[in-house]
Amino acid sequence: AQSVTQPDIHITVSEGASLELRCNYSYGATPYLFWYVQSPGQGLQLLLKYFSGDTLVQGIKGFEAEFKRSQSSFNLRKPSVHWSDAAEYFCAAQPNNDYKLSFGAGTTVTVRA
Amino acid sequence: SAVISQKPSRDICQRGTSLTIQCQVDSQVTMMFWYRQQPGQSLTLIATANQGSEATYESGFVIDKFPISRPNLTFSTLTVSNMSPEDSSIYLCSVEDTEAFFGQGTRLTVV
Repeated sequence: AQSVTQPDIHITVSEGASLELRCNYSYGATPYLFWYVQSPGQGLQLLLKYFSGDTLVQGIKGFEAEFKRSQSSFNLRKPSVHWSDAAEYFCAAQPNNDYKLSFGAGTTVTVRA
Repeated sequence: SAVISQKPSRDICQRGTSLTIQCQVDSQVTMMFWYRQQPGQSLTLIATANQGSEATYESGFVIDKFPISRPNLTFSTLTVSNMSPEDSSIYLCSVEDTEAFFGQGTRLTVV
């Protein structure tokens, strides 16, 4: 079955420290991959996406993600987090022959001063 | 990019009643989607709404409980019928344009 897994439910990081959020997918063929952020009371905002090509993808707000086919992973990183990065982060996948998005369970990021 | 307006943003409803959520897009789009996000959970696709045809529901969701309208290419409604406290969730509208765009969501509390 197709699935997206985010192993970390909650991560706490100090402001200015680096952040890495894990995402693994299980699909027959490599899907399109996405990272979304949901701030409290807000809708989902797309941070970045991977369709093909360069495996290191740059996104908004200083985020980047690396696609690793051998590990079926698409991990999100930020070198230095800001307090405003505290939010819920969702990894999502979309088969390349369908429009349906499947979401991981989400990772809550808390930023401490 | 598509801009989505979703109404209401939140509501508190009595059990047994129904609530209709509206989703307005600022451009014509072929595919619109409705998602549910239960408290502390991820997003689950309820149905795909295409203009001119009946909505396609995902496993576990039925038309009698979640009727959907799609009268044109910029508008859709989702009704949550005969509500119970288990229906308390955030309901999100999404459209597929160059990428998926999401509305702000409707936070529904059923008491």
